[in-house]
Amino acid sequence: KQEVTQIPAALSVPEGENLVLNCSFTDSAIYNLQWFRQDPGKGLTSLLLIQSSQREQTSGRLNASLDKSSGRSTLYIAASQPGDSATYLCAPNWIYQAGTALIFGKGTTLSVSS
Amino acid sequence: EAQVTQNPRYLITVTGKKLTVTCSQNMNHEYMSWYRQDPGLGLRQIYYSMNVEVTDKGDVPEGYKVSRKEKRNFPLILESPSPNQTSLYFCASKDGYTGELFFGEGSRLTVL
Repeated sequence: KQEVTQIPAALSVPEGENLVLNCSFTDSAIYNLQWFRQDPGKGLTSLLLIQSSQREQTSGRLNASLDKSSGRSTLYIAASQPGDSATYLCAPNWIYQAGTALIFGKGTTLSVSS
Repeated sequence: EAQVTQNPRYLITVTGKKLTVTCSQNMNHEYMSWYRQDPGLGLRQIYYSMNVEVTDKGDVPEGYKVSRKEKRNFPLILESPSPNQTSLYFCASKDGYTGELFFGEGSRLTVL
């Protein structure tokens, strides 16, 4: 059974720091991986989608990398701001489960203080 | 605007009283799914549908039903809700070309 692990589970930093959130997954046969942001009690907002053929994707201050062979993805947040405070979830999508579930990690809860 | 819409957003009900949570998407996606989110357990899939009239169980289907009579709608039915179904529920649809998943805003259900 596939598993997704996100480390750290929680992170508190002062404003302006550059951050790295980690996601590891068993079984490297994925066809894409998606990063989401979730504010408390709210829905999930898609941040970045990386296809298996890509090594990274960038959107503004966010950069996500994918190393499929080692089963790892990282989300890099540059110059963090208080508005970045949220829970970040990664979700690999496996090829032989293309019609079924993405499996979500339990997330990294980020708190950025001003 | 491309979106997934769920209703109701908040609901308090009592054990055994049937309820339906509606989900609608305007992106013409074939794939739709329902998740529940609980503290410490993360997001778990309840049911999914790969197309009209095609549905299948996810990881935690017990106590739930779904139907997919039209491509845009995928309602979640709780025939006889119980307190252990108190949770935050999310509907999602997936772009068949990119694989990107789009979520609704969530429906917070409390069963007393």
